[in-house]
Amino acid sequence: QKEVEQNSGPLSVPEGAIASLNCTYSDRGSQSFFWYRQYSGKSPELIMFIYSNGDKEDGRFTAQLNKASQYVSLLIRDSQPSDSATYLCAVTLNSGNTPLVFGKGTRLSVIA
Amino acid sequence: EPEVTQTPSHQVTQMGQEVILRCVPISNHLYFYWYRQILGQKVEFLVSFYNNEISEKSEIFDDQFSVERPDGSNFTLKIRSTKLEDSAMYFCASRPFSTGSPLHFGNGTRLTVT
Repeated sequence: QKEVEQNSGPLSVPEGAIASLNCTYSDRGSQSFFWYRQYSGKSPELIMFIYSNGDKEDGRFTAQLNKASQYVSLLIRDSQPSDSATYLCAVTLNSGNTPLVFGKGTRLSVIA
Repeated sequence: EPEVTQTPSHQVTQMGQEVILRCVPISNHLYFYWYRQILGQKVEFLVSFYNNEISEKSEIFDDQFSVERPDGSNFTLKIRSTKLEDSAMYFCASRPFSTGSPLHFGNGTRLTVT
């Protein structure tokens, strides 16, 4: 059974701070890792993906991957109230048409 | 930017009725998916579809569910006899190739079974 675990939160941070969101996964064969943002009642929106160990930066977002620890994280710098949403971690194998497996998500609240 | 389009945005139906949810994936994408999300719960995989056949399905995707790509653009999910527990957001998603590429989601159809 492939599992993706996230702290459900809510995680509250003040505006301008760094928000740190964490995710662990059970399947050691997982090769691709994604972070999606989901506003209430809306569909998941892709923020970043990462395939290799280490850090990957895109604007205010940094994804970090440690396959040995089966751990992936998302850092949001200079958090804004508009970043308040649920952040979904998703993982998949790279073989064939395997679907993404989602965590339950972490609710982030950025306080102005 | 190309989008995945889903219709209707909201569907209300009575228990036991059949519903068809429609999706138009991004035109150059080859792999198609249906996910659902019950209120307050996680996004769950239902079925994947490639080359006009099902690639993989979850335990949720039982005999009451079917998918079809009736023409070159539409991708549909049919629920034959809806149950109260089928009430959820249903998301269609697509991606251009399989190996590790991200899914692009449609806006979803909120299905309410009464």
